[in-house]
Amino acid sequence: KQEVTQIPAALSVPEGENLVLNCSFTDSAIYNLQWFRQDPGKGLTSLLLIQSSQREQTSGRLNASLDKSSGRSTLYIAASQPGDSATYLCAVHNAGNNRKLIWGLGTSLAVNP
Amino acid sequence: EAQVTQNPRYLITVTGKKLTVTCSQNMNHEYMSWYRQDPGLGLRQIYYSMNVEVTDKGDVPEGYKVSRKEKRNFPLILESPSPNQTSLYFCASSPGQGLGGYTFGSGTRLTVV
Repeated sequence: KQEVTQIPAALSVPEGENLVLNCSFTDSAIYNLQWFRQDPGKGLTSLLLIQSSQREQTSGRLNASLDKSSGRSTLYIAASQPGDSATYLCAVHNAGNNRKLIWGLGTSLAVNP
Repeated sequence: EAQVTQNPRYLITVTGKKLTVTCSQNMNHEYMSWYRQDPGLGLRQIYYSMNVEVTDKGDVPEGYKVSRKEKRNFPLILESPSPNQTSLYFCASSPGQGLGGYTFGSGTRLTVV
């Protein structure tokens, strides 16, 4: 059974720091992995999608990597800003009949001015 | 604009009064699903649909119904809502066979009193 773990659960950093959020998963039979951002009580915004055959994806200050064999993904945020404060969720798209997403519980990020 | 539209955004209702949350996507996606999000439990799948007239239970289907009569629409029906169904609900869609990522609606915050 696929399980997704995100570390750390919470993170508080000063503005300008580069930071890394971690996501690990137990079953490498995946279609892809997706990183989302969620502001408190709000919807889910897709940040990056990495297909299982890819190693990384970049969008602006964000870079996500995928190592399927070791069951790990990292989200790198460069030069963090207060507007980056949110919860970051990692979701693994399981291969198989359901094709459902398996979610981590998220990392709550606070970037302090 | 490619999007998933959920309505309503907020809903307060009383126990036992039937309600429907609508979901519509304009991307011609085959796959649609419903999730609920609760503090400490993360996102859990309620129901999913792989195509028109094909629906199946997710992890927490009790107390919910769905239908998929058209490709674009996937309503969530609560026949007799109870307070334990108070939650934040998300509808999502994706292309078939893991070809792309998921797009989520803005969420429906439901309170059952």
